[in-house]
Amino acid sequence: EVQLVESGGGLVQPGGSLRLSCATSGFTFSSYAMTWVRQAPGKGLEWISAISGGSSATYLADSVKGRFTISRDNSKNTLYLQINTLRAEDTAVYYCAKTYGSGRGGYYYYMDVWGKGTTVTVSS
Amino acid sequence: DIQMTQSPSSVSASVGDRVTIMCRASQGIGTWLAWYQQKPGKAPNLLIYAASSLQRGVPSRFSGRGSGTDFTLTITSLQPEDVAIYFCQQAKSFPLTFGGGTKVELK
Repeated sequence: EVQLVESGGGLVQPGGSLRLSCATSGFTFSSYAMTWVRQAPGKGLEWISAISGGSSATYLADSVKGRFTISRDNSKNTLYLQINTLRAEDTAVYYCAKTYGSGRGGYYYYMDVWGKGTTVTVSS
Repeated sequence: DIQMTQSPSSVSASVGDRVTIMCRASQGIGTWLAWYQQKPGKAPNLLIYAASSLQRGVPSRFSGRGSGTDFTLTITSLQPEDVAIYFCQQAKSFPLTFGGGTKVELK
């Protein structure tokens, strides 16, 4: 069974930092691109970052560029999101999600398995 | 960036009704579209990918259609367990973007 388990969220002051982790199991981690999606309280879904299977390509939403960094350790089957200079508007549930797979054209960025999420609250 | 616009923002229907949700992209995305269902307090769940392909394990009452800029998700016979918020997402280009969501409620 494919499983994704996020950790690392918490209450942090504005300007602070956190490192989110997503431990995975049940699939060949290095073969799949991975993403982070967040959801502010009562709001919709916001994609924030993606990374290819071998880490050769990374993508970030403009709203987090320069503050967030995505990475992965394929030897540990774990995805990371380093989040710096936190702002109140970063308060959200952060989900990691596995993407559907790949084909001739590259990765298919549909998110077919999601973790339960980890909550980040930015407040003084 | 490609903007995704869903309509309606909410719909109220009876058990057994047919429910259709629309999603419009600000530019052509081919069939690079997914639909997700999210129940309260839970992570989203992939229903449809590539605009019309049903994800494994998803009931056949869910179907997707469309290409280019206009897409629909249809629930042919609404069940109580379908009460949720539904989101579309384009997978054509970065940044990946979601629609604002459609809340489906029981009448």
